[in-house]
Amino acid sequence: DTAVSQTPKYLVTQMGNDKSIKCEQNLGHDTMYWYKQDSKKFLKIMFSYNNKELIINETVPNRFSPKSPDKAHLNLHINSLELGDSAVYFCASSQETDLYLVYFGAGTRLSVL
Amino acid sequence: ELKVEQNPLFLSMQEGKNYTIYCNYSTTSDRLYWYRQDPGKSLESLFVLLSNGAVKQEGRLMASLDTKARLSTLHITAAVHDLSATYFCAGESGTYKYIFGTGTRLKVLA
Repeated sequence: DTAVSQTPKYLVTQMGNDKSIKCEQNLGHDTMYWYKQDSKKFLKIMFSYNNKELIINETVPNRFSPKSPDKAHLNLHINSLELGDSAVYFCASSQETDLYLVYFGAGTRLSVL
Repeated sequence: ELKVEQNPLFLSMQEGKNYTIYCNYSTTSDRLYWYRQDPGKSLESLFVLLSNGAVKQEGRLMASLDTKARLSTLHITAAVHDLSATYFCAGESGTYKYIFGTGTRLKVLA
């Protein structure tokens, strides 16, 4: 029973397309995140949501639009994809009562051609 | 803004040897975390260190925290091949904002 699940696992698309990544957590956590990991393994926070409210928007281009319909879901929509968007995108969640340990999903490997 | 630096970036070591990965951070962080990432996989949490002098151990890995020096270490004892992975430390830069270090790619050679 996967704690943080994201789909799809792989996404290959052309420049200029729009795509979405879905994320769901069944841990009952209040906080969810999107992280981007580039080809050098550098991991950078993109967004943090707490109880469906946007808390952190880390200077991400507005082509990226997260949406949290409820506490258990945080989806990421990307418009007008660019080559530089190619990366692995990790959804994650955490909870104050669990020492804010971050639980990561399996990642979505996005390749923009 | 918090900056987190790890060294070394790459580490190749023989089985049975000991080594330490260092994590320096630039400003106060309430907590310091260590994560492991296997190639092509997600990250899993290893340790969370809450206070100065904290030490946590799990198997061949031991993490410690010196908040005065703004330094955390991950010590590997008698390395085995299964420990080959990328190790990340992370600190908090405000609530719900975790800053990850550059990662240390560890390869344990038989």
